[in-house]
Amino acid sequence: DAGVIQSPRHEVTEMGQEVTLRCKPISGHNSLFWYRQTMMRGLELLIYFNNNVPIDDSGMPEDRFSAKMPNASFSTLKIQPSEPRDSAVYFCASSLQRGEDTQYFGPGTRLTVL
Amino acid sequence: GNSVTQMEGPVTLSEEAFLTINCTYTATGYPSLFWYVQYPGEGLQLLLKATKADDKGSNKGFEATYRKETTSFHLEKGSVQVSDSAVYFCAHMNTGFQKLVFGTGTRLLVSP
Repeated sequence: DAGVIQSPRHEVTEMGQEVTLRCKPISGHNSLFWYRQTMMRGLELLIYFNNNVPIDDSGMPEDRFSAKMPNASFSTLKIQPSEPRDSAVYFCASSLQRGEDTQYFGPGTRLTVL
Repeated sequence: GNSVTQMEGPVTLSEEAFLTINCTYTATGYPSLFWYVQYPGEGLQLLLKATKADDKGSNKGFEATYRKETTSFHLEKGSVQVSDSAVYFCAHMNTGFQKLVFGTGTRLLVSP
């Protein structure tokens, strides 16, 4: 079975550019989570969706960040404009249904903003 | 507030040594508790979990017991292998919610 798929695996961009990270959750999973991992702040939940609807975006750092889930098999996290402090590894995770507590993580996207 | 505290790393051990990684938490109610493992260059994988007091989660020789009285969920393994070298994250999730609260992670290095 395919796990959570993220693309790209690595992204290097210049400050001010738009960055789009993509995620395909495990088929049949109804909840999707975006996390950010940095040395300074560890793992932080940015936003999560249930049945394609954003439930909690309180972890989104600022208006430069936005996330969408247009259908059950695809989500994007966009940063516009990007800044060097956005450099991190971004993980997507999915779980089977609301209340199901096991989250399955993708391999992550390592973002470097120069 | 809700938080998870793990011991600082790295933890450096020789193969076949005994492993303990301490984890304590603060949470409202009775959270579920988790250990996730992250191998180099990969995402996090669930290692084990426990959903109520005195439950013991176990997997791949690792164990952790949900201790409500000490709000702890320490990870143990009797004999570590080089392949266990990874970063280990303790986490909790409050009942009825979906937000995992992670500790800072503990890097384990096992030498032959």
